[in-house]
Order: sequence, then structure tokens, then C-alpha cells
Amino acid sequence: KAGVTQTPRYLIKTRGQQVTLSCSPISGHRSVSWYQQTPGQGLQFLFEYFSETQRNKGNFPGRFSGRQFSNSRSEMNVSTLELGDSALYLCASSLDSPGHYGYTFGSGTRLTVV
Amino acid sequence: GENVEQHPSTLSVQEGDSAVIKCTYSDSASNYFPWYKQELGKRPQLIIDIRSNVGEKKDQRIAVTLNKTAKHFSLHITETQPEDSAVYFCAFILTGGGNKLTFGTGTQLKVEL
Repeated sequence: KAGVTQTPRYLIKTRGQQVTLSCSPISGHRSVSWYQQTPGQGLQFLFEYFSETQRNKGNFPGRFSGRQFSNSRSEMNVSTLELGDSALYLCASSLDSPGHYGYTFGSGTRLTVV
Repeated sequence: GENVEQHPSTLSVQEGDSAVIKCTYSDSASNYFPWYKQELGKRPQLIIDIRSNVGEKKDQRIAVTLNKTAKHFSLHITETQPEDSAVYFCAFILTGGGNKLTFGTGTQLKVEL
């Protein structure tokens, strides 16, 4: 079955702009999480969605937001981009049922803010 | 708050040797502990995981041990091969009521010929 699909793969934006990233989870997976990966900070949790509801949120400013649709696809939005937002943004999905908590990651979206 | 310390940050071994990476977590309620391998330019991939009611799990050359009392868990790779070279991340999760996967800082493993 298809894996986790993230689009676009690469993105270059200018400071002050906003960006929307998309994630399509594995079919049947209802939990979707987003992570920011940078060389200095590792993998930082942004938020987690389940059945269109945000269940968990990491320590990121309000410029970072997300949502999940009824088909479990998720989007994250970053407004008023800053240079420090340049990173690899990873999406991961999980079946999230007893005994099945493993997360599968997408290939990520490489965001560069100039 | 939730935190996980991972050591060492870099590890270099000779092909055929064993490699051990250790993680210590803070939240005693954690009950799921996965390990991810990330090769350069690729996505993190789940390689093994363990639940809190199990002390050890093995899958071919990879094993994970969990000590809930001491709140630490370890990844053991035996008979290392060059293709094992990657960054390894430990993580933990509090299942139920929302899953937040918290990662360690990663270990760069290099297997030398």
C-alpha cells in the first residue's frame, strides 16, 4: 500500500510569506503528526491530529498551525516566515489502535526561507 | 516535562563489532519506545519498538532492552555492517489520549570497513 505522501518536496519562500504543506497518510491511518527537523535541534514535535482534532501541540509559536480533513489528510501552515523556519518538515501517520502505535514517516518537505 | 537523553551522539565501530545506544526518559508513564533509523537524505524509518510490559525484544541483528525502573532503554546492533551507518533516534510515547512521539537527539553511527 502507498506510504505517507508529502507535497511539495522542496519549497523556497521569502521572509514574511506564508506556506502550506500537505500530508496524505497511509490509508486507514487516522493519527497524523508533524515534526520539524533541523541539524541543531533534531526532531521537534509540532502537533498531532486525530479525527480532525488536534490532540497534542508542541512548543512552537502560533505562526505554526495545522488541520486535518475528514479523509485524514493533513495540512500545516506557517505564516510570516522567518529565516529560522528553514527546515525539513516531516509528517508521520499511525493506525493508533491498541498494539499499533508505530509511526511511518513521509519523505518530508524541505523548506528554505530566504 | 517529557524529555529523553540519548548517548552517545556519535559512535564509530569496526564492521562486525556490536554497537549500543542508550536512552533515558523522564516520564514514568511512557509505555511505547520505538527506535528509528535515518539514512542521509532519507526519512526516519522504524526499525524496532518495545512496549512497557516487555523487557527485551529482538529482530535478527537488532535488539532493544527496556528497564522501566531505571527509565532507560537501549538499542543493540550485533555484527554491524556498512549499511548500518546512519543516524539512530530513540523515542517514547504516552499512548492513550493523544500520541506525542518525543525523540532523542540522535546518534550518528559509522561502521568502518
